[in-house]
Amino acid sequence: ILNVEQSPQSLHVQEGDSTNFTCSFPSSNFYALHWYRWETAKSPEALFVMTLNGDEKKKGRISATLNTKEGYSYLYIKGSQPEDSATYLCALRTGNQFYFGTGTSLTVIP
Amino acid sequence: SQTIHQWPATLVQPVGSPLSLECTVEGTSNPNLYWYRQAAGRGLQLLFYSVGIGQISSEVPQNLSASRPQDRQFILSSKKLLLSDSGFYLCAWTLGGIEAFFGQGTRLTVV
Repeated sequence: ILNVEQSPQSLHVQEGDSTNFTCSFPSSNFYALHWYRWETAKSPEALFVMTLNGDEKKKGRISATLNTKEGYSYLYIKGSQPEDSATYLCALRTGNQFYFGTGTSLTVIP
Repeated sequence: SQTIHQWPATLVQPVGSPLSLECTVEGTSNPNLYWYRQAAGRGLQLLFYSVGIGQISSEVPQNLSASRPQDRQFILSSKKLLLSDSGFYLCAWTLGGIEAFFGQGTRLTVV
């Protein structure tokens, strides 16, 4: 079992604030790093897949970076909106397995 | 297009009763299939994964078992549920391991 950690566990921000959270993972056995957005009672929704050290991905106001040598990825949300409220999961893919972190629960206060 | 079906959506079962959760995938062949569980206040824990019919790998020792009787069918079972089996169970599939797609999940409460 591989240990994927996310911090902080939860976060409350005001609408319009920018925020970021961290995903840490063991750098050995790395194949890809995935970010998902998970709303209550729904399936996790894929945001990004990153495979190369130094990768940067962007989707609207959300972006992510990857450092495979030191084993971390950051997710950034610019100008948070209430609809961004969700749990953000990262997952380390090694071969056939996906190992998920515990998630960061984001609440954006209007 | 590919879709994944997972049922039931919610389940309340007494301690000691059996369990069977089913997941089926449509629109693809020979997917990798996964069962995850989220216990209260915790992240998604990989329980089982399967790369083919009858091929099951278990990540953690537990009170649960999995079977893959058909290419696109993945079943999570227990002979006798424990209180600690309560949680949210998610089935997922990948093809070539590129991206994981999830079912809607089953909320299991063992009472």
